[in-house]
Amino acid sequence: EPEVTQTPSHQVTQMGQEVILRCVPISNHLYFYWYRQILGQKVEFLVSFYNNEISEKSEIFDDQFSVERPDGSNFTLKIRSTKLEDSAMYFCASSEVRGANEQFFGPGTRLTVL
Amino acid sequence: GENVEQHPSTLSVQEGDSAVIKCTYSDSASNYFPWYKQELGKGPQLIIDIRSNVGEKKDQRIAVTLNKTAKHFSLHITETQPEDSAVYFCAAKWDSNYQLIWGAGTKLIIKP
Repeated sequence: EPEVTQTPSHQVTQMGQEVILRCVPISNHLYFYWYRQILGQKVEFLVSFYNNEISEKSEIFDDQFSVERPDGSNFTLKIRSTKLEDSAMYFCASSEVRGANEQFFGPGTRLTVL
Repeated sequence: GENVEQHPSTLSVQEGDSAVIKCTYSDSASNYFPWYKQELGKGPQLIIDIRSNVGEKKDQRIAVTLNKTAKHFSLHITETQPEDSAVYFCAAKWDSNYQLIWGAGTKLIIKP
């Protein structure tokens, strides 16, 4: 069964460093998403991406964040200058079409900022 | 904006008994309500969903009910098994936007 994959599973970085989290969405999906979950808190939407541009973003997704689809398979989330409060589990998701609603999630990347 | 509340935060049931998890939402425009199961070390996995034009949906031991008037929806798991132990999340969404709004999660413990 096709699945969303994410790398790395765990990333440790120093405050102020840049990190890139990588995702490979399901191959025939057209919509891509990033969510995050700070320990003990709700899952929060960050951004959605379609046709090589951001289609929606939350207040969390400020200038420190960017997304890119560098090739036909990868979808990345970059945090330019990490802060302690960026420590969280980051989930990538994809969906076939927006109208289908169903979003399929990857296993997540645990980001720890020291 | 939309807000989703989920209860209880932890639910412990005897194997073979039923489990019910409840969610309420605030925005009447929401029309899609998925339930996700998250096992330790894994991402959320969609287990069942319901749209606002349907009051109930069932898939084997799992069912979801929706009350649009009261703005609440529930997950029902019957004949619980040890492998049902996980964290369950409800969420809400409306067609005109992309984001899922999540509940806080329910840790379901199945006692042998």
